[in-house]
Amino acid sequence: NAGVTQTPKFQVLKTGQSMTLQCAQDMNHNSMYWYRQDPGMGLRLIYYSASEGTTDKGEVPNGYNVSRLNKREFSLRLESAAPSQTSVYFCASSPQGRNTGELFFGEGSRLTVL
Amino acid sequence: QKEVEQNSGPLSVPEGAIASLNCTYSDRGSQSFFWYRQYSGKSPELIMSIYSNGDKEDGRFTAQLNKASQYVSLLIRDSQPSDSATYLCASTGFGNEKLTFGTGTRLTIIP
Repeated sequence: NAGVTQTPKFQVLKTGQSMTLQCAQDMNHNSMYWYRQDPGMGLRLIYYSASEGTTDKGEVPNGYNVSRLNKREFSLRLESAAPSQTSVYFCASSPQGRNTGELFFGEGSRLTVL
Repeated sequence: QKEVEQNSGPLSVPEGAIASLNCTYSDRGSQSFFWYRQYSGKSPELIMSIYSNGDKEDGRFTAQLNKASQYVSLLIRDSQPSDSATYLCASTGFGNEKLTFGTGTRLTIIP
């Protein structure tokens, strides 16, 4: 049982390049999330998807797009990477309802934008 | 003002002692509260959830919630070196799909 799987684990980009972070969960969860974590800023929500076919902005959505491809997969795309997007990105999932705050996190993707 | 606030630490506690981690929140509508543990270089892991006023115990961990004072705490009894990590406090509002995290408190257990 893999839980939440993110790829890639590490990535270095040049300013202006694009890339997609992939996330898949095998727990049959309805809700999926993308967070970024920066020193001193904690975890900040970028986008989330409460269910298949829906997405919504979080606290820091600018510069990102997401796709909820199906119930299992939720991808995060950087169209034109900027140094301010250097961060560790975490995908998470949760069952819907009372357990909304009980998130299961992937291992993280460390992104550096030069 | 951040919605969920924690002292960033570091908090140093001798092995075997009680570690006390505190968190305050600004949204009176917050309904659910969570403590996550994050080891260095790893992802956060849920260790406690609490939904009503009072104490909730799970092994060496006790979560305490006081909605009138808008604070949540986590007590770790008989602290072990393996408890050294950053502890993240988080809350959700009523009907809110989104979890808001504090910046975390770094805890070091001294052998």
